[in-house]
Amino acid sequence: QSVLTQAPSVSGAPGQRVTITCTGSSSNLGDNYDVHWYQQLPGTAPKVLIYGNNNRPSGVPDRFSGSKSGTSASLVITGLQAEDEAVYYCQSYDFNVRGSVFGGGTKLTVL
Amino acid sequence: QVQLAQSGAEVKKPGASVKVSCKASGYTFTSYGITWVRQAPGQGLEWMGWISGYNGDTDYAQKIQGRVTMTTDTSTSTAYMELRSLRSDDTAVYYCARALVAAGNGFYFDSWGQGTLVTVSS
Repeated sequence: QSVLTQAPSVSGAPGQRVTITCTGSSSNLGDNYDVHWYQQLPGTAPKVLIYGNNNRPSGVPDRFSGSKSGTSASLVITGLQAEDEAVYYCQSYDFNVRGSVFGGGTKLTVL
Repeated sequence: QVQLAQSGAEVKKPGASVKVSCKASGYTFTSYGITWVRQAPGQGLEWMGWISGYNGDTDYAQKIQGRVTMTTDTSTSTAYMELRSLRSDDTAVYYCARALVAAGNGFYFDSWGQGTLVTVSS
């Protein structure tokens, strides 16, 4: 059972917009800790997609955006492409756990 | 560019120990921490702990505290993660990643090693 909760799967057609949500609690997202998002393509290491709630590292397309409000966070992907098919993880810090925590991951399928 | 190169796959018997290395290049090793994350087959990411590249301070996940030791060798810009008393559920790919301090507290991980598969089997 992950401290941060994500839906196991989401899907969308090419060109569509999808939203992946991450739900936390008062000891992590609700305690003003930042949320970060990672993309893991099959057989590869995770890659940071969004850091500090809504910042994109250089090289990440602006089709990816993030937001946080209260105890929830969202990753939005617009103009869905086949290459976006991957597992997406949110990550934050939890005061009770006293360490970093990950969501369980959301597998994005591009139809 | 930042690169983290990890040691090769390991096969261990239950009760044994494993030590995985992570050699950093392309940045000043002592200016950043290193975190370790593992991923069991078909499962999600699990944070294991963090070590400061500056002074070796550590912070371990409660679940594995007592079985894990993270160290660094600043002369070779290498981080190590040793896990003892291995069990079958320790079978996983182990990743090291560079840890950056987030503006809103905590860390995020901007560069990752390629992963090291550790298999625990009798």
